[in-house]
Amino acid sequence: DQQVKQNSPSLSVQEGRISILNCDYTNSMFDYFLWYKKYPAEGPTFLISISSIKDKNEDGRFTVFLNKSAKHLSLHIVPSQPGDSAVYFCAARPESVSGGGADGLTFGKGTHLIIQP
Amino acid sequence: GAVVSQHPSWVICKSGTSVKIECRSLDFQATTMFWYRQFPKQSLMLMATSNEGSKATYEQGVEKDKFLINHASLTLSTLTVTSAHPEDSSFYICSARHRGQETQYFGPGTRLLVL
Repeated sequence: DQQVKQNSPSLSVQEGRISILNCDYTNSMFDYFLWYKKYPAEGPTFLISISSIKDKNEDGRFTVFLNKSAKHLSLHIVPSQPGDSAVYFCAARPESVSGGGADGLTFGKGTHLIIQP
Repeated sequence: GAVVSQHPSWVICKSGTSVKIECRSLDFQATTMFWYRQFPKQSLMLMATSNEGSKATYEQGVEKDKFLINHASLTLSTLTVTSAHPEDSSFYICSARHRGQETQYFGPGTRLLVL
């Protein structure tokens, strides 16, 4: 039972255009969401995050949108650059950082973004 | 800032031996560290959560006696794979988080191959 779903295994976008990566989740207890970028044989690199009290967070070329009612979030990259080619993971966690319970991240399977020159 | 290192990056061992993987937060104090595992073409799966000075919390299906976790200081956590078998071959990644912070910062990962 996958609680975080990234339904597109891969996405090809032309350089300079907008890349939109999608993520859906099923666990209504999730209230903090993160996007990570990962190259082969390396650990994920944090990109951007959003709390459920917001519906948008922007950082430079990266914007994350959250639609809580639809349990959907997306990452927009604009303009896309060749260096953006990587696997992008959506991750989520429930509330309560200091609650003491297990609060590791639940990851999607990733979307391989390919930026074409 | 927020650099996490892992050592070793690669390890090959014989079946039945034990392997220790270190995870260090280099420029911050990690009150919580997490260990994940990633099989080829799969997502990262959380194995366990460890808080400094206390016992690790393991996810369902992860054997605590096989995957020993020690988080003795605010900058170091270790994962020991005991009596490793070929099915334990995987990419092991740790992450670290400071108290009160939401973001987890990941190490570069350790690729384990058990022959």
